[in-house]
Amino acid sequence: GESVGLHLPTLSVQEGDNSIINCAYSNSASDYFIWYKQESGKGPQFIIDIRSNMDKRQGQRVTVLLNKTVKHLSLQIAATQPGDSAVYFCAESTYGGSQGNLIFGKGTKLSVKP
Amino acid sequence: KAGVTQTPRYLIKTRGQQVTLSCSPISGHRSVSWYQQTPGQGLQFLFEYFSETQRNKGNFPGRFSGRQFSNSRSEMNVSTLELGDSALYLCASSFRDRGAEQYFGPGTRLTVT
Repeated sequence: GESVGLHLPTLSVQEGDNSIINCAYSNSASDYFIWYKQESGKGPQFIIDIRSNMDKRQGQRVTVLLNKTVKHLSLQIAATQPGDSAVYFCAESTYGGSQGNLIFGKGTKLSVKP
Repeated sequence: KAGVTQTPRYLIKTRGQQVTLSCSPISGHRSVSWYQQTPGQGLQFLFEYFSETQRNKGNFPGRFSGRQFSNSRSEMNVSTLELGDSALYLCASSFRDRGAEQYFGPGTRLTVT
């Protein structure tokens, strides 16, 4: 498959464990945040988003936490499965995301051991 | 509903040539954004088109350009290719007026030799 990044931070977890992927964002004016999952050879796939008026949002097996004070975002994946192995990117945007431009973090590679 | 499609999927060009990449958004989506992905720089925003107009532009040289057609399909063009332009070029579409939940295509892998 295609490599989406060299020297990415890597998180290795056991199947069934919970995973926490962290992201520090740069712009204090950012008010919309998204997590994407990218598998080898594919484009980024939307996982979950959160707006700055919230500090937590839950989806199916995923939770995003936002700490605006320290400009930190995290993605929690419950009961991690082998299919969760991928590179995860956080992205930030301003104006509620209406400007069509996302600023992406460098990514974290999640490796799930069976 | 069909996803975002990009053509071609793979392309090999020589330095100095130009290239045109195509993106068909999800039906009903009027916003198309383009990104460049490289191992060194990660995912970087190129530009966004909405209703045939470029609304936002990233920090890339003028050799990178694009356009959008009335059916929301978009093309991007890179002229005078350089070795550093080798990358995965990703297109994403969205309902711009509903926020930035962007859906990405599989990308076009461009190799410049």
